[in-house]
This record gives sequence, C-alpha cells and structure tokens, in this order.
Amino acid sequence: EPEVTQTPSHQVTQMGQEVILRCVPISNHLYFYWYRQILGQKVEFLVSFYNNEISEKSEIFDDQFSVERPDGSNFTLKIRSTKLEDSAMYFCASSEFGAGGANIQYFGAGTRLSVL
Amino acid sequence: DAKTTQPNSMESNEEEPVHLPCNHSTISGTDYIHWYRQLPSQGPEYVIHGLTSNVNNRMASLAIAEDRKSSTLILHRATLRDAAVYYCIPRRNAGNMLTFGGGTRLMVKP
Repeated sequence: EPEVTQTPSHQVTQMGQEVILRCVPISNHLYFYWYRQILGQKVEFLVSFYNNEISEKSEIFDDQFSVERPDGSNFTLKIRSTKLEDSAMYFCASSEFGAGGANIQYFGAGTRLSVL
Repeated sequence: DAKTTQPNSMESNEEEPVHLPCNHSTISGTDYIHWYRQLPSQGPEYVIHGLTSNVNNRMASLAIAEDRKSSTLILHRATLRDAAVYYCIPRRNAGNMLTFGGGTRLMVKP
C-alpha cells in the first residue's frame, strides 16, 4: 500500500540552526501538508501546498518556516533559525483531492525535532 | 470550523463493540464528518467519513444523527491494535486543513 515517508525519524539541532525536514508524498497525490504536534498537545496544522504554491497557512507558519517541492517526489519543510519551542513531532501528509469530503489525508510517521 | 466535543477517554474490552461519540452541534450543512485516529508514536490515520447517511468500511461504521449535530464511530470488535486517540473532525467544503481537537483516548483491555 502506498505511504507517505518522512526522513529523518529524529533530528537533533542546536537553537538558531536551520533544519530541513523531508517528505515523500504518495506519488499520484497533488496536495501536500505539514502539521506539528508538541509533546502532549494537539496536532496543529501548519501549511498546505498545491501546484507549487502555498494554499493555506496557519498563524504558526511565520517567516521562519518555508516549504518547497524541489523535484517531482520530495516535499520539504525548512525552519530557518530554530527555537526551543519548535521542538515537536512534524507530520507530513498528502491527499489526492483538495477541499471537501473527498479530501482524505494520508500521514507519514513523523519526524521528531529536538532543539537544544 | 465547527467545534466538537468528545469524551477524553473510553475503555473497552477486546472483542467487544465500541461506540465513540462526538457532538458537533455547530456543524454547517455542507461539512463532512471525518474520523481519524492516532496510534501511539504514529501519525494520524484516516478511518471514515460521511455527510448525512451512515457509512461502513473495513475499519469501522459511522452513524450520523438525523440533525447532524452528533455522530458515533463504531468499532464492531475492538482489538488491542485499536488502542489509539480517535478524532472527530468536521470538514469545511472549502479549505484543506484538518483541525484536530483533543480526541478520545480509547483503551482496550485484553
């Protein structure tokens, strides 16, 4: 069964450093997402991406964050200068369709980001 | 987005049916009701969705109240592998994001 894969599974970084989290969405999917989950808290939406553009973003997704689809298979989340409060699980998701009932999102296993 | 109310936790015995309720009294007429679950240390996983009629798939059944202000996810025979946090998520017809609440933590006893 096709799945969303994320690498690395765990990333440790120093505060102020840049990190890039990588995702390979399901191959025929057109819509891509990033979510995060701080330990013990809710899953929070960060950003959605379609046709090489951001289609929606939350207040969390500030200028420190960026997303890119550098080639036909990868989807990346970059955090320019990490802060302690960026420590969380980051989940990538993809879907074949966009809005509405048919928008079923498939999630990866996540990358645990630890900022020291 | 419509607000949801779910019990914080529920317990079930293995092999028995489980009914997980969700109240979404502010749901709009075009919002679908999606259910996802999150197993320990994993990403969320789609379970089922519906609009007005009851729905069945290989994982679960979804019963939607006639006034659509509530729904119930039904696991017909709970297994230990079904222990997870279950999220009820009304989906806007426009927009891509999923808004996760606190969900219901289901514990399954052998």
